[in-house]
Amino acid sequence: GAGVSQSPSNKVTEKGKDVELRCDPISGHTALYWYRQSLGQGLEFLIYFQGNSAPDKSGLPSDRFSAERTGGSVSTLTIQRTQQEDSAVYLCASSPLWGAGPSTTEAFFGQGTRLTVV
Amino acid sequence: AQSVTQPDIHITVSEGASLELRCNYSYGATPYLFWYVQSPGQGLQLLLKYFSGDTLVQGIKGFEAEFKRSQSSFNLRKPSVHWSDAAEYFCAVGGRPYILTGGGNKLTFGTGTQLKVEL
Repeated sequence: GAGVSQSPSNKVTEKGKDVELRCDPISGHTALYWYRQSLGQGLEFLIYFQGNSAPDKSGLPSDRFSAERTGGSVSTLTIQRTQQEDSAVYLCASSPLWGAGPSTTEAFFGQGTRLTVV
Repeated sequence: AQSVTQPDIHITVSEGASLELRCNYSYGATPYLFWYVQSPGQGLQLLLKYFSGDTLVQGIKGFEAEFKRSQSSFNLRKPSVHWSDAAEYFCAVGGRPYILTGGGNKLTFGTGTQLKVEL
């Protein structure tokens, strides 16, 4: 696609419910990131996928959070048993093939999914 | 571990005045450095990036940034601010990807600086 697409754009869920957030990266981009942006906070790194390598999950805040990337393209971030502190904007970004030159190492961001847990 | 510090949470400048947003990074090797801007209700847009070479890099919208290795800084500047520059600005650091292993390196962002422009 023309840009990184995230869905839904807004999600309101009840505490304790599971949610799935979707990210469609730019076609051909092999790197995909998930970040979380809470009110007044910076961008908190969650997870990073790069090609066929094992994902870097070091930023996931708890085992309630998981993500997968199917076929090296679409990614889904799942939050189980949501808590109010999970309320935030979840941002997805993709970038071209790393290692093909520094000019490709730019992350393109989607518009984000605003998650509200009530 | 890599980290980014943006010491100014909020900055207010008058339209037409010069601007400098500070960014300090910590990284164990040669860093790749980025500045992103997030306007209200918008996604993050890349302003500029530094990989190597000339330490003064030019970006979009009249912004520039200077890499100073000795100070571990990558400050963003603009000679004359426009009201439309009001936004949140994020500095980020990443590293050279692990080409041989096919792995990569995540971008670490600072907490951002909120810029307000007074008319």
